[in-house]
Amino acid sequence: GENVEQHPSTLSVQEGDSAVIKCTYSDSASNYFPWYKQELGKGPQLIIDIRSNVGEKKDQRIAVTLNKTAKHFSLHITETQPEDSAVYFCAASNGQAGTALIFGKGTTLSVSS
Amino acid sequence: GAVVSQHPSRVICKSGTSVKIECRSLDFQATTMFWYRQFPKQSLMLMATSNEGSKATYEQGVEKDKFLINHASLTLSTLTVTSAHPEDSSFYICSAKAASGYEQYFGPGTRLTVT
Repeated sequence: GENVEQHPSTLSVQEGDSAVIKCTYSDSASNYFPWYKQELGKGPQLIIDIRSNVGEKKDQRIAVTLNKTAKHFSLHITETQPEDSAVYFCAASNGQAGTALIFGKGTTLSVSS
Repeated sequence: GAVVSQHPSRVICKSGTSVKIECRSLDFQATTMFWYRQFPKQSLMLMATSNEGSKATYEQGVEKDKFLINHASLTLSTLTVTSAHPEDSSFYICSAKAASGYEQYFGPGTRLTVT
């Protein structure tokens, strides 16, 4: 089955710096890669996703890149702000109906002002 | 759009009682709903996958007679924790997925405390 590895487990940056979180997956059949942000005591919020037919996707300060050959994808946050502090999860799936997402173990991002 | 609600947000119950958690997709039809459990500072652990009108598929190690899941309509799934014990205390989160599209949207979670 699919296995998703996520690094680093914790990341501390200064406000205004960039943050990069990396994930690798094992199943070449996976074709959908979302990223979620989870604040303390809340459910995960979908912040950006990418499908296998695209190499990069950007939404304001957030971007995701995908390298299908190497089976890895990354989340890039530019101009970080204190409100970006949260736990970020990457996930992968084959997109088929009824198929659950396989999650990485999460990255705790701390942005200090 | 794509809003998923959960009720209750917090519940405290006594050991041996049962608790029902509701998960609703408010603005789309969810053909598939998923139930997760999350311990502090850990990732989400999939408990079961529920397709509307069908029996839920449980992950290995999850007791189907203890965690009853019903997905009777395209907007509602329920998780009932039967004969709850303190070790069942956790954060339970549901997610919902429409038939079309890849996106999966999560509810806000339910904090269950069994005393």
